[in-house]
Amino acid sequence: DQQVKQNSPSLSVQEGRISILNCDYTNSMFDYFLWYKKYPAEGPTFLISISSIKDKNEDGRFTVFLNKSAKHLSLHIVPSQPGDSAVYFCAARVPDSSYKLIFGSGTRLLVRP
Amino acid sequence: EPEVTQTPSHQVTQMGQEVILRCVPISNHLYFYWYRQILGQKVEFLVSFYNNEISEKSEIFDDQFSVERPDGSNFTLKIRSTKLEDSAMYFCASKVGSLKETQYFGPGTRLLVL
Repeated sequence: DQQVKQNSPSLSVQEGRISILNCDYTNSMFDYFLWYKKYPAEGPTFLISISSIKDKNEDGRFTVFLNKSAKHLSLHIVPSQPGDSAVYFCAARVPDSSYKLIFGSGTRLLVRP
Repeated sequence: EPEVTQTPSHQVTQMGQEVILRCVPISNHLYFYWYRQILGQKVEFLVSFYNNEISEKSEIFDDQFSVERPDGSNFTLKIRSTKLEDSAMYFCASKVGSLKETQYFGPGTRLLVL
């Protein structure tokens, strides 16, 4: 059941440049999308979210864009820093009684100094 | 800043043994979750808990699994008879209320079943 897909398992960018992480989904009922960052042996850390009724949300260096017609969202990190190197998970919220999250498989970002 | 805590950080057990994974969610949160991540796979939902009862469970969450909130602060996941395939990272998460979308995750418990 691949409701949330991150098709790029890894991404490498130069420090100071833009990192763009992509996520696709199939279920049009999702009402929120969230990005989490995860370091090895730690839990996912919340980064930024976007409501399904918005097309952009920005928080400092992080911006998430949502294209509902394409069922696609992306996370932009500008400028990228070596400390951003981690695995990034896209997650979608199911608006039912549990509000559970459905996760993508993650993209490993490496920011080279 | 408040955070979700989990104990133990690592647990090694023999197949067939019972394990209890413990979590202390953020204090004013009302929704509680367990997720797991098998090595190399996605983070997957196990169970959600609200108002002292399970609100939803996945097909993974069979009769061998149970959850409790025994004292208003701890939130536990019990696996009665562990199987090799239960080896995974188990994450607890909590959320303040229905309108807020953000779930805050604990650091996880790495469970290894031998």
